[in-house]
Amino acid sequence: KQEVTQIPAALSVPEGENLVLNCSFTDSAIYNLQWFRQDPGKGLTSLLLIQSSQREQTSGRLNASLDKSSGRSTLYIAASQPGDSATYLCAVSTGLQGAQKLVFGQGTRLTINP
Amino acid sequence: DTGVSQDPRHKITKRGQNVTFRCDPISEHNRLYWYRQTLGQGPEFLTYFQNEAQLEKSRLLSDRFSAERPKGSFSTLEIQRTEQGDSAMYLCAIILAADTQYFGPGTRLTVL
Repeated sequence: KQEVTQIPAALSVPEGENLVLNCSFTDSAIYNLQWFRQDPGKGLTSLLLIQSSQREQTSGRLNASLDKSSGRSTLYIAASQPGDSATYLCAVSTGLQGAQKLVFGQGTRLTINP
Repeated sequence: DTGVSQDPRHKITKRGQNVTFRCDPISEHNRLYWYRQTLGQGPEFLTYFQNEAQLEKSRLLSDRFSAERPKGSFSTLEIQRTEQGDSAMYLCAIILAADTQYFGPGTRLTVL
């Protein structure tokens, strides 16, 4: 059974710092890995998707890496801003016959202090 | 706008009542997923559709839960005889370009 773990559960940093969020998964047989952002009481916003054959993806100040063999992914946020405060969720895509159902970690609650 | 709307956004009901949620993609998509998220946890997969066909159901989906997707467009999720443990956010998602899953805003269910 695929399990996804995110460390740390919560993180508080001053504005302007670069930071790294970690995600690990137990089964390397994944189709892709997706990072999401969730604001309180809201749905999920997709940030980045890394296909299983890729090593990293970048979007603006965000960079996500994937090491499938070791079951790890990181989300790097550069020059953090108060507007980055949210919960960040990592999810791996699994399932027979390309079902692509997502298995999520519990998330990292990020607070950027002005 | 993720291209997915959900209705209602909030639902408060008494234990034992039936509730129905609706998910509407703005355009037709082959695959549609339902997830459930409890407070402080990541979402958990419930079920998914390929067009009209419901292809997989999680063990979380007890026999009190039923989902449909008539004509392969919108989808409904019904919970019969609700229990307090059903209180959660119910999320719908579709796949757009390059395998990315896009989520609707969710329906928050509170069972009293």
